[in-house]
Amino acid sequence: DAGVIQSPRHEVTEMGQEVTLRCKPISGHDYLFWYRQTMMRGLELLIYFNNNVPIDDSGMPEDRFSAKMPNASFSTLKIQPSEPRDSAVYFCASSFEGEATGELFFGEGSRLTVL
Amino acid sequence: AQKVTQAQTEISVVEKEDVTLDCVYETRDTTYYLFWYKQPPSGELVFLIRRNSFDEQNEISGRYSWNFQKSTSSFNFTITASQVVDSAVYFCALSGHLSYNTDKLIFGTGTRLQVFP
Repeated sequence: DAGVIQSPRHEVTEMGQEVTLRCKPISGHDYLFWYRQTMMRGLELLIYFNNNVPIDDSGMPEDRFSAKMPNASFSTLKIQPSEPRDSAVYFCASSFEGEATGELFFGEGSRLTVL
Repeated sequence: AQKVTQAQTEISVVEKEDVTLDCVYETRDTTYYLFWYKQPPSGELVFLIRRNSFDEQNEISGRYSWNFQKSTSSFNFTITASQVVDSAVYFCALSGHLSYNTDKLIFGTGTRLQVFP
């Protein structure tokens, strides 16, 4: 059974460029989360969706960041324009309300470097 | 406000030693969940355990055990007879209760555990 799939695994771009990170959650999961991990701030929740609807985007750092979930099997996190301080590992996670353990299943992350 | 504190940034032990990772949390919720995740060098986050606020029983799973004490707002994690494969960053997390089985996790800053042979 496939886990959460993220792409690209690594992205190196120049300041000012648009970056799009992609996530395919586990089939049947109804929650999707985007987290960012940096040395300075640790793991931060950026936004989460329930049944494709954004519920809480209070963690999105600024207007340069946007996230969409057009259907149950796909989500994107876009940064435009990118800045060096956006360099981080971005994790996507999904979960299923009916899962008794309450586990969030994480993807392997997308490591973004903005030069 | 919710907060998770992992005061130990890095711990080094020699194989077969026992090691305890500390976690202290703050929340005003009466119902909440606490988690531990492991992040090995490969980078993925691996779920270890979830406990709810009404269940203070200690849990043991093989070499892993967890001690939950509401009186001190702590949820500590002990690895018995540590092994090199236990080397990883360990995160404690607290839920902002969303629904019965789904949680918005607030993570601590993590503790890096290095186990030397």
